[in-house]
Amino acid sequence: DAGVIQSPRHEVTEMGQEVTLRCKPISGHNSLFWYRQTMMRGLELLIYFNNNVPIDDSGMPEDRFSAKMPNASFSTLKIQPSEPRDSAVYFCASSLRVGGLAGGNTYEQYFGPGTRLTVT
Amino acid sequence: AQSVTQLDSQVPVFEEAPVELRCNYSSSVSVYLFWYVQYPNQGLQLLLKYLSGSTLVKGINGFEAEFNKSQTSFHLRKPSVHISDTAEYFCAVRYSGYSTLTFGKGTMLLVSP
Repeated sequence: DAGVIQSPRHEVTEMGQEVTLRCKPISGHNSLFWYRQTMMRGLELLIYFNNNVPIDDSGMPEDRFSAKMPNASFSTLKIQPSEPRDSAVYFCASSLRVGGLAGGNTYEQYFGPGTRLTVT
Repeated sequence: AQSVTQLDSQVPVFEEAPVELRCNYSSSVSVYLFWYVQYPNQGLQLLLKYLSGSTLVKGINGFEAEFNKSQTSFHLRKPSVHISDTAEYFCAVRYSGYSTLTFGKGTMLLVSP
């Protein structure tokens, strides 16, 4: 059974360039999460989708960041333009949520291997 | 406010010794608790979880954790560690009514021979 798939695994780019990170969640999961991990700030939730709809994007640092989920099997996180302070490991995670947003339950999250982004 | 505290940023221990990694969370009526492990250059892997029922939870690789509601704690233990347990361990909490996890800052477990 394939887990969460992320690509690329490593990305090195120059400041000002557009960066697109990709994620394929586990088949059957209906919730998807994007995280950023740095030494200074630890693991931060950037955005959360449920049934392809963004539910909480309060963690997105600024307008340079955007995320989409066009269908249940694919999501992208885009940074435009990129800056050196965006260097981090970006993780995608998926989970299964049952029930409605108000009273349902979200089970454990399964993480992808991450994309290590370096912006020079 | 929701918060998870892992007081120890690093825990050095010798091989075959017991270890406890501490996790405390801010009080709430209902919580769901998780421990994740991250090996170098890898994603987070679920170690164990507490959703309900018995307060002692057993996970993979010989780890276990105990949910203590009165002390709002969920400490992780292993009676005898191996070199291969060297990794970063994250405690996470899902508060009732929320869909997202709140993570602690992680504890680096360093096992030496």
